[in-house]
Amino acid sequence: DAKTTQPPSMDCAEGRAANLPCNHSTISGNEYVYWYRQIHSQGPQYIIHGLKNNETNEMASLIITEDRKSSTLILPHATLRDTAVYYCIVRRAGGTSYGKLTFGQGTILTVHP
Amino acid sequence: SQTIHQWPATLVQPVGSPLSLECTVEGTSNPNLYWYRQAAGRGLQLLFYSVGIGQISSEVPQNLSASRPQDRQFILSSKKLLLSDSGFYLCAWSVTAEKLFFGSGTQLSVL
Repeated sequence: DAKTTQPPSMDCAEGRAANLPCNHSTISGNEYVYWYRQIHSQGPQYIIHGLKNNETNEMASLIITEDRKSSTLILPHATLRDTAVYYCIVRRAGGTSYGKLTFGQGTILTVHP
Repeated sequence: SQTIHQWPATLVQPVGSPLSLECTVEGTSNPNLYWYRQAAGRGLQLLFYSVGIGQISSEVPQNLSASRPQDRQFILSSKKLLLSDSGFYLCAWSVTAEKLFFGSGTQLSVL
């Protein structure tokens, strides 16, 4: 699985959009980009994933660059409850990887009033 | 809907004591099951995964073992705990490889 690079921490004002970047310059054509987040003392929560097209769901939007070497997770209207560690993960879909995820250090997002 | 139960939430054990953490999943059949560990200040590390009853794969050599006696039950065990076994243990399940659903975790302190 390709390695990802994320900033260690970011701040965001409540009600504003939070844009979390992720670099994955060695990504392969069959690798997806996944985002999870972990609120303190809880298990990680799946947010969104995508291959090459931009994706949107009820939680967030995922913007993947055309060359797929980087992506941005967007929380359109951040709330205090969005304060968490956000993990960007790149992995192949299916195959025999059985959902094995490699979590790095992630980005600590702090949403302040 | 599917739910995952993991207990206990916190556990304090002396070095050399045994360990048994249990995880059960409801609302789905034949899930893939996982045990992850998160040491203080570090990322999550996959310890074991299982694709069926009695089928266990270990990702890292360690002092722990896992078992899956029933389709939706996953158990993490140790015969003798070490200080280095302290951490936040998470059980997870998935049907597809794309999404994992995690339990609430067990904070284990070995003293």
